[in-house]
Amino acid sequence: LAKTTQPISMDSYEGQEVNITCSHNNIATNDYITWYQQFPSQGPRFIIQGYKTKVTNEVASLFIPADRKSSTLSLPRVSLSDTAVYYCLVALYNTDKLIFGTGTRLQVFP
Amino acid sequence: GAVVSQHPSRVICKSGTSVKIECRSLDFQATTMFWYRQFPKKSLMLMATSNEGSKATYEQGVEKDKFLINHASLTLSTLTVTSAHPEDSSFYICSARPRQVLSGNNYNEQFFGPGTRLTVL
Repeated sequence: LAKTTQPISMDSYEGQEVNITCSHNNIATNDYITWYQQFPSQGPRFIIQGYKTKVTNEVASLFIPADRKSSTLSLPRVSLSDTAVYYCLVALYNTDKLIFGTGTRLQVFP
Repeated sequence: GAVVSQHPSRVICKSGTSVKIECRSLDFQATTMFWYRQFPKKSLMLMATSNEGSKATYEQGVEKDKFLINHASLTLSTLTVTSAHPEDSSFYICSARPRQVLSGNNYNEQFFGPGTRLTVL
């Protein structure tokens, strides 16, 4: 299993761009990188997924360098409602399992 | 679309009793459902994987006789915590993998329920 490492916590202010980096040094060739968001006392919610280079959707961007050993989730202009825990996962190619790491607790201040 | 519900949302029970938690995919059929538990300020831990009509596969260290999982249909899975004790108090979350890809942008697509808070006195 490709283990992920990400900062335990981050602080930001409203309107700022937040970048959360995740390390996954032993990612396999066919693995995808997926990010989930979780609010307190709720189930996780899918944010974005990518394989390489850059992926962008309506809520975030995901940057993956050529070696794929890390990835960066970028949240543009965060608001107070973005305060949550963000999990970086490596989706295993040949299994349904999602293995959650420690996550990054993002606190957005006014 | 792609909504997963859990019932109850919270339950308080006495030590020694059994508690059943339901997980339903409301608008899609799920070939596989997963059960997680999460302690305060901790990450989600996968407990078991269940496929419709077959026995669940438990993760290492999870007691299958204590956490009974039934996946009787493509839209319903249940987790029964038997003879619950205070150390079983936790947040239990299920997820469901659709039979057919729904979003097209998520490899290993899974949709999570809102969770069930179990408190054992």
